[in-house]
Amino acid sequence: AQRVTQPEKLLSVFKGAPVELKCNYSYSGSPELFWYVQYSRQRLQLLLRHISRESIKGFTADLNKGETSFHLKKPFAQEEDSAMYYCALVSDYQLIWGAGTKLIIKP
Amino acid sequence: NAGVMQNPRHLVRRRGQEARLRCSPMKGHSHVYWYRQLPEEGLKFMVYLQKENIIDESGMPKERFSAEFPKEGPSILRIQQVVRGDSAAYFCASSPGRGSGNTIYFGEGSWLTVV
Repeated sequence: AQRVTQPEKLLSVFKGAPVELKCNYSYSGSPELFWYVQYSRQRLQLLLRHISRESIKGFTADLNKGETSFHLKKPFAQEEDSAMYYCALVSDYQLIWGAGTKLIIKP
Repeated sequence: NAGVMQNPRHLVRRRGQEARLRCSPMKGHSHVYWYRQLPEEGLKFMVYLQKENIIDESGMPKERFSAEFPKEGPSILRIQQVVRGDSAAYFCASSPGRGSGNTIYFGEGSWLTVV
């Protein structure tokens, strides 16, 4: 069955520390994966897609097919990174969402 | 290969007007999908088309929305009598076939603002 797992509901790190938000997927083919971010009281925003291989706001994510992971990383966390982060997978043509991880950056 | 091309990238319409969003799939792709990203709701599937046929429109609102993918030319997502709630990002995607093993490629999106 296709699914997306974000194992951490809450992740708290200090400002300046590295951040890694985990996303694991189960999919039989070549996945199309997304990361979305939702800042407090704002709409959900597309952060990045694996296919575009771009770095947004210092975040990167690499698709690891061997480990079936698409972890979101940032080398130095900033306070404005505090938000909810969602990983999503396109399965056939439907979207499957992870439960989300709340990232808190401590000053 | 130019990738999935969407236009316009940004469109502003007054309430009651019509919005037409175009999507040219990647070369060699005959399957097209439309998604909508509403504020606070993330990306949601709308419709899946194969040349001249609608395969799955389960995500399309029942009224005012229609989609086509003619034999020649781009796929069109048409929204009649737009309302403020239609303001969203509309993403098109295409694939050479259906199912696992056929990667879906997304366009950059068209942002519709209804004023």
